[in-house]
Amino acid sequence: NAGVTQTPKFQVLKTGQSMTLQCAQDMNHEYMSWYRQDPGMGLRLIHYSVGAGITDQGEVPNGYNVSRSTTEDFPLRLLSAAPSQTSVYFCASSSDWTGSNQPQHFGDGTRLSIL
Amino acid sequence: KQEVTQIPAALSVPEGENLVLNCSFTDSAIYNLQWFRQDPGKGLTSLLLIQSSQREQTSGRLNASLDKSSGRSTLYIAASQPGDSATYLCAVPRGAQKLVFGQGTRLTINP
Repeated sequence: NAGVTQTPKFQVLKTGQSMTLQCAQDMNHEYMSWYRQDPGMGLRLIHYSVGAGITDQGEVPNGYNVSRSTTEDFPLRLLSAAPSQTSVYFCASSSDWTGSNQPQHFGDGTRLSIL
Repeated sequence: KQEVTQIPAALSVPEGENLVLNCSFTDSAIYNLQWFRQDPGKGLTSLLLIQSSQREQTSGRLNASLDKSSGRSTLYIAASQPGDSATYLCAVPRGAQKLVFGQGTRLTINP
């Protein structure tokens, strides 16, 4: 059971480039989220999804786009990379909403540097 | 606005000691509180989830308590081992699908 798989693990981009961070889970979870982790800022929610075809913005959505065409996959797109988007990105999934008794499962992260 | 604080930011103890990590939150109207472990270069692993109706949760050498009225949770680690060295984070839900995290306590267990 792989859990939550994120690819790539590391990426370096130039300012203005676009890319997609992949996230896949094999637990049949409806709820998926993207967070970024920055020193001194902690983890902040970017976008989330409560099922296939349903997405919504989190705390820091600007510059990012998401879609959810299948239960398994929840890709995060950087439209035009900026140095401020240098961060570690984590994908999480759960079988229920954050206020339930079900824990969040996190991937190992994508470490992204924007030059 | 919900704020979550973890003090101290770092803690170093000798192997075998029992220890307590602290987490405080400003808004006591929470559904649950989760404790996570993060190893360097890795993602977060959920250790314990305490629902608002519970006072404690236990898993092996770990025991988490929750006191909603005082806005506090503690994670107790018994008989610490070098393998327990990691950053420990607590988080509470806020709004739609959002977790508010503390900054974490970086724990080092010295052999």
